[in-house]
Amino acid sequence: DVKVTQSSRYLVKRTGEKVFLECVQDMDHENMFWYRQDPGLGLRLIYFSYDVKMKEKGDIPEGYSVSREKKERFSLILESASTNQTSMYLCASSRPIQGYGYTFGSGTRLTVV
Amino acid sequence: AQSVTQLDSQVPVFEEAPVELRCNYSSSVSVYLFWYVQYPNQGLQLLLKYLSGSTLVKGINGFEAEFNKSQTSFHLRKPSVHISDTAEYFCAVIKQIASGGSYIPTFGRGTSLIVHP
Repeated sequence: DVKVTQSSRYLVKRTGEKVFLECVQDMDHENMFWYRQDPGLGLRLIYFSYDVKMKEKGDIPEGYSVSREKKERFSLILESASTNQTSMYLCASSRPIQGYGYTFGSGTRLTVV
Repeated sequence: AQSVTQLDSQVPVFEEAPVELRCNYSSSVSVYLFWYVQYPNQGLQLLLKYLSGSTLVKGINGFEAEFNKSQTSFHLRKPSVHISDTAEYFCAVIKQIASGGSYIPTFGRGTSLIVHP
């Protein structure tokens, strides 16, 4: 069964810490995405990557950066975590093909205290 | 710019009753539309999608959706719901961008379907 795996299900970090959220896919997909999910706001795109070392800002990139050194791995980095970054983070992958679906990981619930 | 509006944040319904979850989109170009479901503590799963052709699209778990271009809608329906259908449902419009020819989904805010026994 194909998978998108997020390394942590729950994470608690302190304000000001540097936080890494890891995502790995085993489907050889070109595209990978990071979303944050908040109640009443749905999913909002933070960053996406369409190839190794290539990245594009989404709708809410402020306070985040990403890294894609290998095709299967896409990391989201919070340079200095803040309480307003407490959220559910979802990673997804896909191919650049019309109508191709998006495979999501189970999410990482991050709490910043 | 593309956007998706899910008109109901929460839809309560009794088991075995029919349900419709509403989705309207705005787009200046041809659209591809998806519905995803998120069960508690899980990621999103694809229910169904519309790319072209027949405006009535059938998906998994007995769900279907109808694309209506004139009303810019893509409502999700099920004739008889089960307790296990309790979940969050997201409508998404897909746009193609210049970077790598990729397709990027924009999601609605979600509708929480609550099925009561």
